[in-house]
Amino acid sequence: GAVVSQHPSRVICKSGTSVKIECRSLDFQATTMFWYRQFPKQSLMLMATSNEGSKATYEQGVEKDKFLINHASLTLSTLTVTSAHPEDSSFYICSALAGPYPGELFFGEGSRLTVL
Amino acid sequence: EDKVVQSPLSLVVHEGDTVTLNCSYEVTNFRSLLWYKQEKKAPTFLFMLTSSGIEKKSGRLSSILDKKELSSILNITATQTGDSAIYLCAVEAGVSLRFGAGTRLTVKP
Repeated sequence: GAVVSQHPSRVICKSGTSVKIECRSLDFQATTMFWYRQFPKQSLMLMATSNEGSKATYEQGVEKDKFLINHASLTLSTLTVTSAHPEDSSFYICSALAGPYPGELFFGEGSRLTVL
Repeated sequence: EDKVVQSPLSLVVHEGDTVTLNCSYEVTNFRSLLWYKQEKKAPTFLFMLTSSGIEKKSGRLSSILDKKELSSILNITATQTGDSAIYLCAVEAGVSLRFGAGTRLTVKP
């Protein structure tokens, strides 16, 4: 099946630094990718919808300036957590939509961010 | 505002039991409903439903969509401990994917 790769799978950073997480669709083109955040023992929370070549659509309550999303190509979307703080520590997951709607969603393995 | 509601939020059964998980939704521009199984990291895809009344089946799991009732059910028969997970329902609506809160299923030996 289709593969979505996230990198890095784990990152530890100091408070105040910025961290970039990449999401790549390895064997298909994805015009739409989604970014989620998962809190312990909770469901995934959609943060934003990333469309190739246009600005991301953020969910209510998600700070656009803090979580920068760039979908520069049909196989790559990036999430940059700017000026990270300990409360940003979480598990971030991306998914990519294969094909036009309705299409199958393929999830990345996730990236665990720990901010010290 | 679009919403996806799953019930029950948690469920504890014994091996061999049959369970039914529910997902109801209120969205504009419905496209499809998806079921996922979440264990450790990223959820794994189970089913995608777009047409009402057509059951999809995979082993002991099956699911069906009712567009009139704006709902879907996920059935698991002869449950096993390996079925213990959070089952997520998500609805594609417009350009977004809305997740329910999930149902935490625990299957005891």
